[in-house]
Amino acid sequence: DQQVKQNSPSLSVQEGRISILNCDYTNSMFDYFLWYKKYPAEGPTFLISISSIKDKNEDGRFTVFLNKSAKHLSLHIVPSQPGDSAVYFCAASITGSARQLTFGSGTQLTVLP
Amino acid sequence: EPEVTQTPSHQVTQMGQEVILRCVPISNHLYFYWYRQILGQKVEFLVSFYNNEISEKSEIFDDQFSVERPDGSNFTLKIRSTKLEDSAMYFCASCGLNPTEAFFGQGTRLTVV
Repeated sequence: DQQVKQNSPSLSVQEGRISILNCDYTNSMFDYFLWYKKYPAEGPTFLISISSIKDKNEDGRFTVFLNKSAKHLSLHIVPSQPGDSAVYFCAASITGSARQLTFGSGTQLTVLP
Repeated sequence: EPEVTQTPSHQVTQMGQEVILRCVPISNHLYFYWYRQILGQKVEFLVSFYNNEISEKSEIFDDQFSVERPDGSNFTLKIRSTKLEDSAMYFCASCGLNPTEAFFGQGTRLTVV
């Protein structure tokens, strides 16, 4: 039962352009969403999050958009840099559930110089 | 910057043997988690731990698994009798008093032969 889905296993973008990573969820109980970045042989690193009471959160080059009616969120990275090349995981949690995370399958982002 | 540390980084064990994976969460955090990632698959929740007891666990976390916080700083995951399919990266994570984003360790690669 894939409650959090990332349908694009990979994405390639030219340096300086915008990267858009997408995520869909099915469980309407999710009310907090996070993006993690992961390099090989390392643990996931928190990037940015958004509560379901918002539709946008911005932190520097990273912006997360949430469309609750469509159960869809996206991560925008602009401008993309080669150091952004990593696997990006979307995750979701429910308030009051000890915040355990349900992860998507990840999207490998490659930023080409 | 505080971080979650895990030991060992790589553990090789024979099928049927017991293994203990160790984690030192961030010192003022209160919620502790174990996740695993089988090669090529998504990061999966195993168990959450709060106030010295398991708060939630997934279907993966069967009777072969146990967790303990033996001394107020370490957080361990024990697999009683390992199976080949337990081979995976195991990630420890922790959250503060207001659990929003979880901070992950670098992982322990468990190989069962």
